[in-house]
Amino acid sequence: AQTVTQSQPEMSVQEAETVTLSCTYDTSENNYYLFWYKQPPSRQMILVIRQEAYKQQNATENRFSVNFQKAAKSFSLKISDSQLGDTAMYFCGSIGSNYQLIWGAGTKLIIKP
Amino acid sequence: SQTIHQWPATLVQPVGSPLSLECTVEGTSNPNLYWYRQAAGRGLQLLFYSVGIGQISSEVPQNLSASRPQDRQFILSSKKLLLSDSGFYLCAWSVSNVRNEQFFGPGTRLTVL
Repeated sequence: AQTVTQSQPEMSVQEAETVTLSCTYDTSENNYYLFWYKQPPSRQMILVIRQEAYKQQNATENRFSVNFQKAAKSFSLKISDSQLGDTAMYFCGSIGSNYQLIWGAGTKLIIKP
Repeated sequence: SQTIHQWPATLVQPVGSPLSLECTVEGTSNPNLYWYRQAAGRGLQLLFYSVGIGQISSEVPQNLSASRPQDRQFILSSKKLLLSDSGFYLCAWSVSNVRNEQFFGPGTRLTVL
């Protein structure tokens, strides 16, 4: 069975700093997808970034990028030039052949002014 | 473009009363549909998912049930609410047969008193 682990319950950084959120996963599959979602105080779940496991190149979306280490089963999210609006819960997820998205417990990120 | 609606946005119900939460998706056909529950400050717990009309899979045994009477309509129900049913309920959809991201509705905040 797939599992996803986020070991950082809460993090806080100053505005404009760079922050990295960690995520590790466990799967026996070769073809799977990984995601980071953001849930701001409004509680709307928003997709931040996705990564196909068969692609070696790390995904990037503006200030958000991932460090995908397939052998280590690690999928960390880097937020550059952090902004106050980045304050949110961040969830890592993995989806495999059963099409079910397995979620981590989340990391609460606080950006301080 | 696709949109997903949930209602009501907020609900306060007494213990033992029935429940009906509705979710509808527009702009897509034959989506996979999901119901999640999220306790305050916690991760997402998958309750039900559906790959087609009348096809419901339950992930967590409890006093909740789900139905999919139409292709893009997903309903979460209970005959008698418990205090432990309080939480934030999220509906999501994804493209069927594709390991793709899930798209979430705005959620329903349920308080059982």
